[in-house]
Amino acid sequence: AQKITQTQPGMFVQEKEAVTLDCTYDTSDPSYGLFWYKQPSSGEMIFLIYQGSYDQQNATEGRYSLNFQKARKSANLVISASQLGDSAMYFCAMREARNYGGSQGNLIFGKGTKLSVKP
Amino acid sequence: DTAVSQTPKYLVTQMGNDKSIKCEQNLGHDTMYWYKQDSKKFLKIMFSYNNKELIINETVPNRFSPKSPDKAHLNLHINSLELGDSAVYFCASSQAVRAVTGANVLTFGAGSRLTVL
Repeated sequence: AQKITQTQPGMFVQEKEAVTLDCTYDTSDPSYGLFWYKQPSSGEMIFLIYQGSYDQQNATEGRYSLNFQKARKSANLVISASQLGDSAMYFCAMREARNYGGSQGNLIFGKGTKLSVKP
Repeated sequence: DTAVSQTPKYLVTQMGNDKSIKCEQNLGHDTMYWYKQDSKKFLKIMFSYNNKELIINETVPNRFSPKSPDKAHLNLHINSLELGDSAVYFCASSQAVRAVTGANVLTFGAGSRLTVL
């Protein structure tokens, strides 16, 4: 079974509108961390936002916010006021305890969502 | 200064050759990783080192051998290259993760695109 599921292979959004990228995760561990990364066409991986499983509040970083619904095991990324430069692949990732024991921080990635922002 | 630098950025080679990709980080991080991104953009961990010690060795052919001469460097050597090794290889680093819920972010290099002909 996939640990991280991103059900939207591709999405379009109009410039200046908000967009939500879906991410669900599968773990039986109570302790885990959730990350979002952006990969523009130039190829580098850029960290966007982080949410810990015990965090009470949804994480926010500028135009990025994470809609964390623990019971539903979802960690959707919300980008407000989309810009042309937001066009990229977006990856959801998880660090979970069963990987942590020897992993020193290994992340498991979803397959990504390609976001295209239309002018 | 680039935080995590990989060389070369592009590598085109013939099947059967041996090649290396080098990675250096200047962030003072204790932990370094190699990830492979396939043609469908799927990223998967290959190896992880903490302070020069191998921590993770996923199911990777033993043709792949990582080497960490010091905690700032993690190189990847690949023997007898095969067509299926064509991918983008990412090096990353992080502070040593002391708690699974710690927000230790992985900082990635720009990637090395390997093409095996």
